Amino acid sequence: GENVEQHPSTLSVQEGDSAVIKCTYSDSASNYFPWYKQELGKGPQLIIDIRSNVGEKKDQRIAVTLNKTAKHFSLHITETQPEDSAVYFCAASIKWRSGYSTLTFGKGTMLLVSP
Amino acid sequence: DAGITQSPRHKVTETGTPVTLRCHQTENHRYMYWYRQDPGHGLRLIHYSYGVKDTDKGEVSDGYSVSRSKTEDFLLTLESATSSQTSVYFCAISDRDNSPLHFGNGTRLTVT
Repeated sequence: GENVEQHPSTLSVQEGDSAVIKCTYSDSASNYFPWYKQELGKGPQLIIDIRSNVGEKKDQRIAVTLNKTAKHFSLHITETQPEDSAVYFCAASIKWRSGYSTLTFGKGTMLLVSP
Repeated sequence: DAGITQSPRHKVTETGTPVTLRCHQTENHRYMYWYRQDPGHGLRLIHYSYGVKDTDKGEVSDGYSVSRSKTEDFLLTLESATSSQTSVYFCAISDRDNSPLHFGNGTRLTVT
C-alpha cells in the first residue's frame, strides 16, 4: 500500500519567515496530493492541492510543488503569520481493489510561528 | 464544516461494550470516510463508502464495522471496545472520487 513520509515533525519560525514542509510517497500510481491544516479541537481543513499533471500551484502565500520522478511534494508558506500556527498534513491518493480512491496521510508537522 | 455533524462529540465507555459513532451530512455527497487520529500516526483510514450500502475496508479496519443505509448517514460501530480503540475519530465526505475530503470536527472516544 501507499506510504507517506512527512518531515519535519515540528517546525518553529519567526513571523515573516518562510516555512517548508516536505513529503515523500511510495506508490507511483498516486495522482492527487492535498494539504490540510488542523487547528486544535477541529477537523483538518483543505488548504491547497495538486494533481500529478501539474508541477506547481500557488494560492496567495501558499504554494505546493510536486516532483513525480522523485516522488516527493512540498508545501511552502511565505510571510508566515502567528495564525499559520497549526498542524499540517500532506496526503497522497491510493486506489483500492474496489476501483475507488482514498487518501493516505503523513504523520503531520506542527508549525509554530512566533511573533 | 461542509454540513457534517459527528455525534457524540465525546464519549467514555468501558472495555467490552459496543459503541456506535454517527456521521451525518447535509451535502448529499456520495463518498464518506471514517478515519482515526492518534499521536504519532496521523490519520488512518478505517472504512469508506462509495454509495448507499456500498462500503469497503481501509487500512485499520479490524474491530470496526460500518453501515450506510442512507446517503446522509455513515455509522461506525465498535462491536466490543478495547483500550487500543481510544482515539479521535473523524468522518469525511467528498462529492467525487479522488477529490478533496471535507472533515467533521471529530469524536473523542475513551475506552477505560
